[in-house]
Amino acid sequence: QQPVQSPQAVILREGEDAVINCSSSKALYSVHWYRQKHGEAPVFLMILLKGGEQKGHEKISASFNEKKQQSSLYLTASQLSYSGTYFCGTAQGAQKLVFGQGTRLTINP
Amino acid sequence: NAGVTQTPKFQVLKTGQSMTLQCAQDMNHEYMSWYRQDPGMGLRLIHYSVGAGITDQGEVPNGYNVSRSTTEDFPLRLLSAAPSQTSVYFCASSYSKLAGVRTGELFFGEGSRLTVL
Repeated sequence: QQPVQSPQAVILREGEDAVINCSSSKALYSVHWYRQKHGEAPVFLMILLKGGEQKGHEKISASFNEKKQQSSLYLTASQLSYSGTYFCGTAQGAQKLVFGQGTRLTINP
Repeated sequence: NAGVTQTPKFQVLKTGQSMTLQCAQDMNHEYMSWYRQDPGMGLRLIHYSVGAGITDQGEVPNGYNVSRSTTEDFPLRLLSAAPSQTSVYFCASSYSKLAGVRTGELFFGEGSRLTVL
């Protein structure tokens, strides 16, 4: 079952912050986050494991609450290069990675 | 180092035709998978493999077959193409068999755009 992402789309001005949420109805082993530019393949951002571990990547960080089966991606001081569609992937079972429907992020100057 | 290579990049089929999408990786990855991407649907898992000779179904396996005879290759076969299979297909591989471990990062190919008329 696909995890649910919210919001579906976000429009920001450069320098603003954004939060993208990901929730699942199933118990999770881990959560992945990927970014996809238009016409390109998804690119890995980070993976979060059980234990509420927070990981960072440049000015992008994320959290994982395995009890609530939720993860959030935090983009601070957004840059034009952050534009794209963000996907969370949830490991349902140790070997199956299922993605959400995506959140389209648009950063304007 | 080529990473994950998919061929062809573009393909047009008629309903009922068969074809194979090729995927090869040169990173000695155990885990390989196929996803399809449709507008508003995100990436949906078709089939995956945790090693040579081992495959399993994902979320949307109907109409697709896979095999894994070598570590490097993981072809996706459409036996009788249907318009509903019009999509962009991505092959992805990972070092680890387990999606839950730190080394579970997926490396994606550039995608294959398939149109079924």
